[in-house]
Amino acid sequence: GDSVTQMEGPVTLSEEAFLTINCTYTATGYPSLFWYVQYPGEGLQLLLKATKADDKGSNKGFEATYRKETTSFHLEKGSVQVSDSAVYFCALSLSGNTPLVFGKGTRLSVIA
Amino acid sequence: KAGVTQTPRYLIKTRGQQVTLSCSPISGHRSVSWYQQTPGQGLQFLFEYFSETQRNKGNFPGRFSGRQFSNSRSEMNVSTLELGDSALYLCASSLAGMGDYGYTFGSGTRLTVV
Repeated sequence: GDSVTQMEGPVTLSEEAFLTINCTYTATGYPSLFWYVQYPGEGLQLLLKATKADDKGSNKGFEATYRKETTSFHLEKGSVQVSDSAVYFCALSLSGNTPLVFGKGTRLSVIA
Repeated sequence: KAGVTQTPRYLIKTRGQQVTLSCSPISGHRSVSWYQQTPGQGLQFLFEYFSETQRNKGNFPGRFSGRQFSNSRSEMNVSTLELGDSALYLCASSLAGMGDYGYTFGSGTRLTVV
């Protein structure tokens, strides 16, 4: 079935460090890809999305590029801040009325 | 505009009891989906309602049920609670369903079964 694999956490970085969180997927069709972020005690917030190959989603300094050839959607940020500390989820959805499939999540801690 | 509202935020129930959780979607959104989040299993899809009809269902036992009203508000019910039902239950609304749009999530209801 369709699945999403994320790098295991937790990830601990110093402020202003470069961030990469790996995400790869397996899907029977051509999915839309998403990154969601969950801050402590809150629900999930959509961070960015890409709907077709080579699309780049970006928001709040985060970026991810839909790579069909490597079935990947890695999340990157050039300079993380303490406020970026959260759990990040990669997800996919096939077109039509199918549910989101989530990865296990990666906890990021940024220290000053 | 108002976001997705879930009530209550916290709930403590005893094993064997039943519980009802509520979700009010963003105005105009017709699709409401429910997810269970646990440390061990991560985010698992429960079901999705669209225009008062269940359109998709995840792999959960029949103790988990839901419904959607004509104003798109949704409820989920869990009967005969088990300790393993302790989780954060997240509701998400979408304009017309999944696909390209993504979801807007509520803050969740944290259910503790003792």
